[in-house]
Amino acid sequence: DAKTTQPTSMDCAEGRAANLPCNHSTISGNEYVYWYRQIHSQGPQYIIHGLKNNETNEMASLIITEDRKSSTLILPHATLRDTAVYYCIVKGGNYGQNFVFGPGTRLSVLP
Amino acid sequence: EAGVTQFPSHSVIEKGQTVTLRCDPISGHDNLYWYRRVMGKEIKFLLHFVKESKQDESGMPNNRFLAERTGGTYSTLKVQPAELEDSGVYFCASSQTSAQYFGPGTRLTVL
Repeated sequence: DAKTTQPTSMDCAEGRAANLPCNHSTISGNEYVYWYRQIHSQGPQYIIHGLKNNETNEMASLIITEDRKSSTLILPHATLRDTAVYYCIVKGGNYGQNFVFGPGTRLSVLP
Repeated sequence: EAGVTQFPSHSVIEKGQTVTLRCDPISGHDNLYWYRRVMGKEIKFLLHFVKESKQDESGMPNNRFLAERTGGTYSTLKVQPAELEDSGVYFCASSQTSAQYFGPGTRLTVL
């Protein structure tokens, strides 16, 4: 079973920041938080991941709370093309472990 | 840099037939994973290769599924004989460190 809980769906106005929350209260000390998204039925697309520090890349920012029990993915200026299902996944740093996908959050960016 | 590629993109076969799916990982990635999503369900892990060795095949549903990765490059996933419940989208992913990069998937329809 997935170790994360996310809202089922969210809406965001085009051009505004999209803030997607994720709870992972049972996260272990060596587990990372990963975010992926799936647009239509394409393959999941890697967005960002982090351990305990906030992370930023060209796609998004990841804010992890100090106790690491929750995190927020931020898309700073959402566009229509960001409409997708977003998955928050907790996984150990060992590359040998597989991802456990939950149902994710369906983000709809509205014009 | 080329991403993960999968072939075919779609396959329609009849129950009892055999189908072979192919995955070409990102060049240099030792880790290769197979996942699938059946209708209405979440993406589920099938198995993981490290180079040519099966590291974890705990997600393989039954012995009708056979995965190989000869030479540690591309991988094939054979379903023989196919059943109706095998219909879904099969994703392949590869990684060198912790983030996994997914291919576009193969949509398998068993009639």
